[in-house]
Amino acid sequence: NAGVMQNPRHLVRRRGQEARLRCSPMKGHSHVYWYRQLPEEGLKFMVYLQKENIIDESGMPKERFSAEFPKEGPSILRIQQVVRGDSAAYFCASSPGVSRASYEQYFGPGTRLTVT
Amino acid sequence: QKEVEQDPGPLSVPEGAIVSLNCTYSNSAFQYFMWYRQYSRKGPELLMYTYSSGNKEDGRFTAQVDKSSKYISLFIRDSQPSDSATYLCAMSVDSGGYNKLIFGAGTRLAVHP
Repeated sequence: NAGVMQNPRHLVRRRGQEARLRCSPMKGHSHVYWYRQLPEEGLKFMVYLQKENIIDESGMPKERFSAEFPKEGPSILRIQQVVRGDSAAYFCASSPGVSRASYEQYFGPGTRLTVT
Repeated sequence: QKEVEQDPGPLSVPEGAIVSLNCTYSNSAFQYFMWYRQYSRKGPELLMYTYSSGNKEDGRFTAQVDKSSKYISLFIRDSQPSDSATYLCAMSVDSGGYNKLIFGAGTRLAVHP
């Protein structure tokens, strides 16, 4: 299966802990996007990365959230000192490495984060 | 006002019905228009995308864009219970060299046998 992979699928953290979400893009894709989905709401853009570069992080909260896409390995979305309001589904999407085709994004199955 | 408005439903139809799903938008800079299908507790799946005003057909699905009215639609013919899902419209805007996607809230569709 050459689709977008995300893990873990479900993550439970206590308030104050760190959450680390991983995303491996589709084969041949070098652009990664992270979105957050709250219940009954659409997807909200968080950050757009290319290998070793953050291109647009305008949708990411200024504090506690960070993202990276290293040269080797998956993209990581890190949430430090989680709070209950961080409970949501986090989706990763990838697109081909051509800017014109970046509208054609393919999504992973998501990580459902629950903060207790 | 949200950039993309989509009626959340739920929409319940009998099997075989024609379903019409709609979104309106306010930003005339939107370039590409997409429809995603999302089954419960799964990731969104790209169904169709269009660029210009007009219709685009793919099997039982037809996507329609009216840029003058800032209105897009997805029609599903001969709807099946397997079409039961949330349908998200999405629109792209050039954001410094890449296409940023803005999503509607999604419409929940239930097709009952």
